[in-house]
Amino acid sequence: TQLLEQSPQFLSIQEGENLTVYCNSSSVFSSLQWYRQEPGEGPVLLVTVVTGGEVKKLKRLTFQFGDARKDSSLHITAAQPGDTGLYLCAGVPQGAQKLVFGQGTRLTINP
Amino acid sequence: DAGVIQSPRHEVTEMGQEVTLRCKPISGHNSLFWYRQTMMRGLELLIYFNNNVPIDDSGMPEDRFSAKMPNASFSTLKIQPSEPRDSAVYFCASRSSGSGADTQYFGPGTRLTVL
Repeated sequence: TQLLEQSPQFLSIQEGENLTVYCNSSSVFSSLQWYRQEPGEGPVLLVTVVTGGEVKKLKRLTFQFGDARKDSSLHITAAQPGDTGLYLCAGVPQGAQKLVFGQGTRLTINP
Repeated sequence: DAGVIQSPRHEVTEMGQEVTLRCKPISGHNSLFWYRQTMMRGLELLIYFNNNVPIDDSGMPEDRFSAKMPNASFSTLKIQPSEPRDSAVYFCASRSSGSGADTQYFGPGTRLTVL
């Protein structure tokens, strides 16, 4: 059983479309992070959210932390082929010290 | 700036052989993490060190796996004897404790295939 459940696991859309990826848990997290991983490379941190309800924007990417700090979403506007990759959410459960990862969403943007 | 360095990038070995994976963390970082990534189980934390001391090895699968960090600039993950189910990509990551939130920097990984 995954502490962090990501959905969808796979997503393939056309260039220019919008999409949202979700990261859900029944546990409260001190912080949540989103990473992107490209083939043959390690995950690269995109953003960290720490406050319930927090919204952060990174160009066409919008990240939101749920009010109860149990879930997060990543929204991409006008997706580009360069957005293709594996998106991982990760968080430190409240009271714990280790970072736990979701299974990831494999995103493909078709030209 | 050099990121986390891992070697080898690819390793193919036969069942029963010893495998040693190496990691050089980012200079100045005092925490080091070993992860394993597979399609089935995703990214799993195996062990992590703070100031060269192992803090939590609860993710190490079994006694065949061992990790050391003899100094601040080097760590190894050893599998002896290796088994086909150990095939995976192994990542090393490092972090500076003064970086606020848990910001880890990952290396490029070692793709291990055990035949």
